[in-house]
Amino acid sequence: ETGVTQTPRHLVMGMTNKKSLKCEQHLGHNAMYWYKQSAKKPLELMFVYSLEERVENNSVPSRFSPECPNSSHLFLHLHTLQPEDSALYLCASSQDPGTAKNIQYFGAGTRLSVL
Amino acid sequence: KNEVEQSPQNLTAQEGEFITINCSYSVGISALHWLQQHPGGGIVSLFMLSSGKKKHGRLIATINIQEKHSSLHITASHPRDSAVYICAVAGNQFYFGTGTSLTVIP
Repeated sequence: ETGVTQTPRHLVMGMTNKKSLKCEQHLGHNAMYWYKQSAKKPLELMFVYSLEERVENNSVPSRFSPECPNSSHLFLHLHTLQPEDSALYLCASSQDPGTAKNIQYFGAGTRLSVL
Repeated sequence: KNEVEQSPQNLTAQEGEFITINCSYSVGISALHWLQQHPGGGIVSLFMLSSGKKKHGRLIATINIQEKHSSLHITASHPRDSAVYICAVAGNQFYFGTGTSLTVIP
């Protein structure tokens, strides 16, 4: 148990569906992250939030829409996805958003399949 | 070319063997992280280091800043060590390797 909980663990959706991924952290951290992990590829950082404000967006398509209502919760809203968006989506949190000395704590991920 | 390269990509070992996983990087960094990802997806941070060597149980991580290289060693490997081990470097952003998939056979 890392203190970061993601739901659902598995999700299958059609290209016209709208769904949301949820992440909750119980660590009192100030920063939260969304990552995409595709087979045989490095983790890709999608979004970074610090104190509920988005501080980084790595050119992610607009069909992915993040929301951070408070420092403990992070959502990723999905709409009109493509089959190539099928991947493992990981949420993480850290004490602060700076990279160097911050250990990130990861959730178990949501395995997304887009049909 | 990825900023972080790991080798080998896949590794199978017999229980009890000494294991080494290597990580080379091409960017300036402030720290290097070793992560462990078990089947099912969850990732756990094993080490964060910026110089020298760290040890935790049967795991040892070393880093050579001048050579831009780090190694993760597992002594007396066990089947429960089977996982994907990911090297990540922290510079102005995080860069991740593609991971080394380790299988330890009883």
